[in-house]
Amino acid sequence: NAGVMQNPRHLVRRRGQEARLRCSPMKGHSHVYWYRQLPEEGLKFMVYLQKENIIDESGMPKERFSAEFPKEGPSILRIQQVVRGDSAAYFCASSPLKSYEQYFGPGTRLTVT
Amino acid sequence: AQTVTQSQPEMSVQEAETVTLSCTYDTSESDYYLFWYKQPPSRQMILVIRQEAYKQQNATENRFSVNFQKAAKSFSLKISDSQLGDAAMYFCAYRETSGSRLTFGEGTQLTVNP
Repeated sequence: NAGVMQNPRHLVRRRGQEARLRCSPMKGHSHVYWYRQLPEEGLKFMVYLQKENIIDESGMPKERFSAEFPKEGPSILRIQQVVRGDSAAYFCASSPLKSYEQYFGPGTRLTVT
Repeated sequence: AQTVTQSQPEMSVQEAETVTLSCTYDTSESDYYLFWYKQPPSRQMILVIRQEAYKQQNATENRFSVNFQKAAKSFSLKISDSQLGDAAMYFCAYRETSGSRLTFGEGTQLTVNP
């Protein structure tokens, strides 16, 4: 059973561009979580999704950030008009229904120049 | 809001020795889960050990064990017979039973000296 997949692993964007981060959960997992890790800090929750539904987005910045988890395909975290402060590692985690454990992907390191 | 505090930004241990990493948390809930994650230089988050708050028995996974003190809201990680591969950033995390998000501490960087 393949683990949680994230791509790209590294993404470089200039200020003002858009960043799209993809996450494919483990097979059979219907819950996806996104976390952000700023340099020298712990992970901070951003959003929790189930297929076609955003369950909790209380950790998402109000502007420029959006997330989706369509019926088919990976979950997408989209950052519009990136700024230098968006430079961070973005982790996706997945879990099966009724499980308290979350399995993490390898992360996407976003660098904004 | 729940908070998780790791008061040791850095720790070091000699190979084959034992080290304990500290974690405290703040919550008004009575039922929840606690975790220790390891993040090596590859940055992959690896689950080391987990503890359900309703269980009095401390969790153990091979060389890793926890000291869970519910009344004190303390959840320390003990690594026995430390190995070079244990060198990593260690994060303590909390999750409500009814919730979804993990709340992480700021991490403890563990160095293992040969």
